[in-house]
Amino acid sequence: AQSVTQLGSHVSVSEGALVLLRCNYSSSVPPYLFWYVQYPNQGLQLLLKYTTGATLVKGINGFEAEFKKSETSFHLTKPSAHMSDAAEYFCAVSGGSAGGTSYGKLTFGQGTILTVHP
Amino acid sequence: NAGVTQTPKFQVLKTGQSMTLQCAQDMNHEYMSWYRQDPGMGLRLIHYSVGAGITDQGEVPNGYNVSRSTTEDFPLRLLSAAPSQTSVYFCASSRQGGKSPLHFGNGTRLTVT
Repeated sequence: AQSVTQLGSHVSVSEGALVLLRCNYSSSVPPYLFWYVQYPNQGLQLLLKYTTGATLVKGINGFEAEFKKSETSFHLTKPSAHMSDAAEYFCAVSGGSAGGTSYGKLTFGQGTILTVHP
Repeated sequence: NAGVTQTPKFQVLKTGQSMTLQCAQDMNHEYMSWYRQDPGMGLRLIHYSVGAGITDQGEVPNGYNVSRSTTEDFPLRLLSAAPSQTSVYFCASSRQGGKSPLHFGNGTRLTVT
């Protein structure tokens, strides 16, 4: 079975500081990995995705993530935080077992709430 | 360009009542799914469908039924509401299951008293 662990349910940074949100996954087949963002009272929006190819993935709003197979990680970073980045962030993985409809299920982490201080 | 539309946005039920949460998408996506979101637990998959007439259980299916008679619609039915079903429910669709990004509706906030 696939699973996702997000380290830290709350992360607080100052405006202009580096943002680092951690995500580790488990999957018995090559995973598809996603980061989503959720603003208050809204649904989730895709930030970026990794399927195959280049391991450094760039997304919207200046975010990027690096797929590290040896560490089973997909951490999200942004060089300089902005007040508008305050939201909840979710890492997700699909690909739990070979064959069948394993890629039909997307498993989410518990979420990390990012607070940005002026 | 509506995307994924969920109705209602808010609902209050009494224990034992039944209701249906509606979900419709206009992107011709084969894959549709229902999640519930609870604080500190992320999103948990309730049921999903890979096409009309095909549904399967997710992580937390008990107390919920689904059907998929058309590509566009994927309603979620609560058979006999319980306080433990108080949650925010999200419907999502994608072109190719877990291989492509999910498009989410804006959610239904359900309270069961």
